[in-house]
Amino acid sequence: NAGVTQTPKFQVLKTGQSMTLQCAQDMNHEYMSWYRQDPGMGLRLIHYSVGAGITDQGEVPNGYNVSRSTTEDFPLRLLSAAPSQTSVYFCASSYSTPSGGEQYFGPGTRLTVT
Amino acid sequence: TQLLEQSPQFLSIQEGENLTVYCNSSSVFSSLQWYRQEPGEGPVLLVTVVTGGEVKKLKRLTFQFGDARKDSSLHITAAQPGDTGLYLCAGAPNSGYALNFGKGTSLLVTP
Repeated sequence: NAGVTQTPKFQVLKTGQSMTLQCAQDMNHEYMSWYRQDPGMGLRLIHYSVGAGITDQGEVPNGYNVSRSTTEDFPLRLLSAAPSQTSVYFCASSYSTPSGGEQYFGPGTRLTVT
Repeated sequence: TQLLEQSPQFLSIQEGENLTVYCNSSSVFSSLQWYRQEPGEGPVLLVTVVTGGEVKKLKRLTFQFGDARKDSSLHITAAQPGDTGLYLCAGAPNSGYALNFGKGTSLLVTP
């Protein structure tokens, strides 16, 4: 199993550009989440999904969209990038809710917005 | 959001020393998870503690959940350079989807 994969590993965007961060998992997990990690801020939940076709907002959803058309894939879209979105983004999946079980994290995408 | 405070924020020790890191909150959690994150990688789960007063051991790592389920500690015995990383605690609220993550303790163990 590859686990949770994320692409790209690194990305530089200009303010106002849009892009999609890809996330895929091969563990047949129903639950998937997107986090951002900033220095001194810990991990903050952006959006999550409890199954194909079902998504919801986390703590910091503004400026991001998600969709979940399949169990395996959970892309994160930045609509109009801003310098405040410079961060490391992690996708995670779990067999139950994150509060109920182990989350498996991808290797992260380091995004810089200039 | 229920806040989790981790201390110390940074810790630099020599190989063979013992250390304890703390994770404290004023809120009660149904369970608490500890993750370790190495540079350039995502966090990896070390342990989940569920019962107040519970103690779990993972080789040289000992995890304890407070009796009131508001705090936890991680003790490492005879630290090794391979223990270097960011240690994150994450609390599960009594209801709801999300985990609340602390900001982490960055540990450096030098030979």
